[in-house]
Amino acid sequence: QVQLVQSGAEVKKPGASVRVSCKASGYIFIDYYLHWVRQAPGQGLEWMGWINPNSGATMFAPKFLGWVSMTRDTSISTAYMEMTGLKSNDTAVYHCARGIDHTNMIMDVWGIGTTVTVSS
Amino acid sequence: DIQMTQSPFTLSASVGDRVTITCRASQSIRTWLAWYQQKPGKVPKLLIYKASSIESGVPSRFSGSGFDREFTLTISSLQPEDLATYYCQQYDSDPYTFGQGTKLEIK
Repeated sequence: QVQLVQSGAEVKKPGASVRVSCKASGYIFIDYYLHWVRQAPGQGLEWMGWINPNSGATMFAPKFLGWVSMTRDTSISTAYMEMTGLKSNDTAVYHCARGIDHTNMIMDVWGIGTTVTVSS
Repeated sequence: DIQMTQSPFTLSASVGDRVTITCRASQSIRTWLAWYQQKPGKVPKLLIYKASSIESGVPSRFSGSGFDREFTLTISSLQPEDLATYYCQQYDSDPYTFGQGTKLEIK
């Protein structure tokens, strides 16, 4: 079945970097965009951006430009999201999600999330 | 950025009730709207896309409607398992913003 398996929880100090992985299975990796969405504790969903696994093209919400990057390794059907210069308010659960439909912007399968805690 | 505003913030209803959640966009998004359900401790689940198209496997008591700036998600007969927070999301233009969520409680 279609699955997105994410890497484990991370604890980082302010100013550090973190990389979260998202391994896809059960479908052709390069055929669907992957989105990243975060959810701070007790808060709502925040769309961060997407990567086109076929071309490597990316798009980010403005607040994530310049300090978040998204890459992929098609040989192992895995996408990565890296954040630099972490702040305490980046503490959140980070989900990857597959984009479907001709728009690629509807998210039908979600990873269970990776908890990133930023604390001194 | 397009702002998405949901109402109400919280909603308490009884099993069997008809429930409606509203989502308003700060500008026209045509019908590029999705609804997601997030049960406590779970990941979001796609319910509705393109404002009114129901995702495969979603119970028929869920329906969506709307166009331009105002949209609704309706549960025709509330079930206990519908306890969740519901989010709308526009995908007309980036950034693809979510509403703040509506928490649905069962009386």
